[in-house]
Amino acid sequence: LAKTTQPISMDSYEGQEVNITCSHNNIATNDYITWYQQFPSQGPRFIIQGYKTKVTNEVASLFIPADRKSSTLSLPRVSLSDTAVYYCLVGVAAGNKLTFGGGTRVLVKP
Amino acid sequence: GAVVSQHPSWVICKSGTSVKIECRSLDFQATTMFWYRQFPKQSLMLMATSNEGSKATYEQGVEKDKFLINHASLTLSTLTVTSAHPEDSSFYICSADGTGQETQYFGPGTRLLVL
Repeated sequence: LAKTTQPISMDSYEGQEVNITCSHNNIATNDYITWYQQFPSQGPRFIIQGYKTKVTNEVASLFIPADRKSSTLSLPRVSLSDTAVYYCLVGVAAGNKLTFGGGTRVLVKP
Repeated sequence: GAVVSQHPSWVICKSGTSVKIECRSLDFQATTMFWYRQFPKQSLMLMATSNEGSKATYEQGVEKDKFLINHASLTLSTLTVTSAHPEDSSFYICSADGTGQETQYFGPGTRLLVL
């Protein structure tokens, strides 16, 4: 699986938009990009997945440029409850092993 | 999204005893299940991959005789930590995927404390 690089941590304030960029220079042609959210003492929760351009759901948006070597997770108007670790992974597919990087620890302040 | 459960959610045991953790896919059939371990402030580390009806594949450095994995059905995989020691204390998480699922779904995790 392609290796991913993302910032170790980010601070934000309630109501702001948080954008986390992930680099995946060696992404394969068939790889999707998947983001998970993890709260302390809980399993990761699927947030969003995309292949190219833009994907939006009720939780977040995922922006993927044409070369697909990076992606940006956008969390609109964060609240305190969005404080968590966010993981970017590529190549998530049925039967594939996942290699988690360090993730980005997002702290939302009041 | 699909739901994966784990039982128990936490367990405390004495050193030398064995502990079994169950992972169930509640609303889909999981052809593949994965087991991870996570230490405090660290990322998830894959321990093993299990496919229904076949032997699990363990990652390098994971003792297969210590961490027994059974995937007897398409909805259940179990991880047994045999002769547990304090260094086995960790957060164990399973995930599952299957036909029709676009990604892996994770269980809520099991906190193991070995005294």
